[in-house]
Amino acid sequence: DVKVTQSSRYLVKRTGEKVFLECVQDMDHENMFWYRQDPGLGLRLIYFSYDVKMKEKGDIPEGYSVSREKKERFSLILESASTNQTSMYLCASSPTIGREPSAETQYFGPGTRLLVL
Amino acid sequence: AQTVTQSQPEMSVQEAETVTLSCTYDTSESDYYLFWYKQPPSRQMILVIRQEAYKQQNATENRFSVNFQKAAKSFSLKISDSQLGDAAMYFCAYRSANYGGSQGNLIFGKGTKLSVKP
Repeated sequence: DVKVTQSSRYLVKRTGEKVFLECVQDMDHENMFWYRQDPGLGLRLIYFSYDVKMKEKGDIPEGYSVSREKKERFSLILESASTNQTSMYLCASSPTIGREPSAETQYFGPGTRLLVL
Repeated sequence: AQTVTQSQPEMSVQEAETVTLSCTYDTSESDYYLFWYKQPPSRQMILVIRQEAYKQQNATENRFSVNFQKAAKSFSLKISDSQLGDAAMYFCAYRSANYGGSQGNLIFGKGTKLSVKP
């Protein structure tokens, strides 16, 4: 089974703090994603990565950055946390198309609920 | 740009009954994938069922089946013999069959919260 883990289930930070959210997958997937989930808004893509050291902006990248130094790890960084970044953050991964029959499927981590005070 | 619409923010079903969750999408593409994801209160998002647009046959997974109407751009999820464990948020998602760049990303609807009454 694919396993995607996130470093924290719950996190409380102060406004202005630098926040790191870590995501690790154990299936050698090329693709990794960070989403933000808010009630009534569904999932919105923040950043994604198709390879090590590669990153691309999603729909709502403002206020966030990412790092992918190793294939299995994809980090989301809030340089200076703000209260409007209070949310549930979901990480996902998927293999490259063509590698597996259902490569278009994304596998999700358990989520990190971040509260910024 | 593609969009996914789930018009039912909340649904309720009696245990052992059948419920259908609606999803419509907008795209100009002919080849794509559609998904239903389930997110229980524990928050781990899991795949329920997937459908390839080029397949006319509706996908089924045990008690879960879809009604895929390509011309109408409709992709509803039917849950038969509903169980208490089916209570969750359900998300419909679209993915282009194009492999390049952001075209391969999932586009999600806003979700339908399903409650199951004992």
